Amino acid sequence: AQTVTQSQPEMSVQEAETVTLSCTYDTSESDYYLFWYKQPPSRQMILVIRQEAYKQQNATENRFSVNFQKAAKSFSLKISDSQLGDAAMYFCAYRSFLAGGTSYGKLTFGQGTILTVHP
Amino acid sequence: NAGVTQTPKFRILKIGQSMTLQCTQDMNHNYMYWYRQDPGMGLKLIYYSVGAGITDKGEVPNGYNVSRSTTEDFPLRLELAAPSQTSVYFCASSSPLQETQYFGPGTRLLVL
Repeated sequence: AQTVTQSQPEMSVQEAETVTLSCTYDTSESDYYLFWYKQPPSRQMILVIRQEAYKQQNATENRFSVNFQKAAKSFSLKISDSQLGDAAMYFCAYRSFLAGGTSYGKLTFGQGTILTVHP
Repeated sequence: NAGVTQTPKFRILKIGQSMTLQCTQDMNHNYMYWYRQDPGMGLKLIYYSVGAGITDKGEVPNGYNVSRSTTEDFPLRLELAAPSQTSVYFCASSSPLQETQYFGPGTRLLVL
């Protein structure tokens, strides 16, 4: 079974600064997807960014980028030019590449990191 | 296009009561999921379904039941509610060809 670990329960950053959230995972699979989800106080789960394990290039979405280290099984999220609206709980999640079999596309989540943004 | 909708948004139950959490998606997705999120924690899979009439247990199925009679609906039934079921419940859906799951807004359940 896959596991996802987020070792930082809380992080804080000054507005306009850069912050990096850490995530490690354990799997025996070679192909998979990794995600970062944002959960603001409204509790809505919002997809921030995703990475396909077979792609070497790190994914980027505007101010959000990842550092994907497949050999180290590490998947960190970098938020540049932090904004007050970035304050939220962030979850790292894993999904097997194949949607069938025993996984059926289900997500395995880490415990989350609460990000506080100071003005 | 409403995506994934859940009702109710919030509910208080007494110990031993039963209720059904409703989930509907309008994206014609085959796969649907129920997760629970305990305070300060990540989401854990309760049940999932790969199509109408097909359901299976996830990590934490005890105390819950599901059914899937249509592609659109995937209700979660709580029988004999217990304080340990106090949580936020999320429904999600996806298709086999998509890597992204789409989440509903969640149902907050308090069992007292």
